Amino acid sequence: EADIYQTPRYLVIGTGKKITLECSQTMGHDKMYWYQQDPGMELHLIHYSYGVNSTEKGDLSSESTVSRIRTEHFPLTLESARPSHTSQYLCASSAFDRGRTGELFFGEGSRLTVL
Amino acid sequence: GEDVEQSLFLSVREGDSSVINCTYTDSSSTYLYWYKQEPGAGLQLLTYIFSNMDMKQDQRLTVLLNKKDKHLSLRIADTQTGDSAIYFCAEREGGGSYIPTFGRGTSLIVHP
Repeated sequence: EADIYQTPRYLVIGTGKKITLECSQTMGHDKMYWYQQDPGMELHLIHYSYGVNSTEKGDLSSESTVSRIRTEHFPLTLESARPSHTSQYLCASSAFDRGRTGELFFGEGSRLTVL
Repeated sequence: GEDVEQSLFLSVREGDSSVINCTYTDSSSTYLYWYKQEPGAGLQLLTYIFSNMDMKQDQRLTVLLNKKDKHLSLRIADTQTGDSAIYFCAEREGGGSYIPTFGRGTSLIVHP
């Protein structure tokens, strides 16, 4: 049973606001990821982390930032939201211990609309 | 770099079989996955197959892997309206690679 949670599920805000999308997992996974999903369904990796104090940018350039101070928590922040940031954001985690296949466990997503 | 291709749409009648196809380019792919995304939700792993396998069956799901042609397929028998969703194919190298490559997703529509 996957235990990864994202809040808020839905957010509508005005341009220029600072927002933080929260992601927490209770599975003790060391790898965590943020994906942006466009209306055409495609997933774009924007950030990932291999563990505490490790963060890397993904394939898609993003103006967002992330932090990984605790294993279970991987928040994503936009300092000044713009309409182009309107999208679905999916958080995921995985583990690569012996016997695991490294599949990703996804949260339910945060749908952000910037007016 | 790695690339994973899928057709974007598939429409089937309820009770028929659905076959979703996927091709990949990375010959080092060790793990191949199928994920399902229902409306308004995140992705959920449906099944996976290792590159040293040709076939895997799990209830109504059958995964076929043709490693020579780098072709993966997911067959859903007796497709139901609840199977309507987006299906993502993904591949990952073994060893120290922790980032899977996803296809663009196939939207399966099941009609009565």
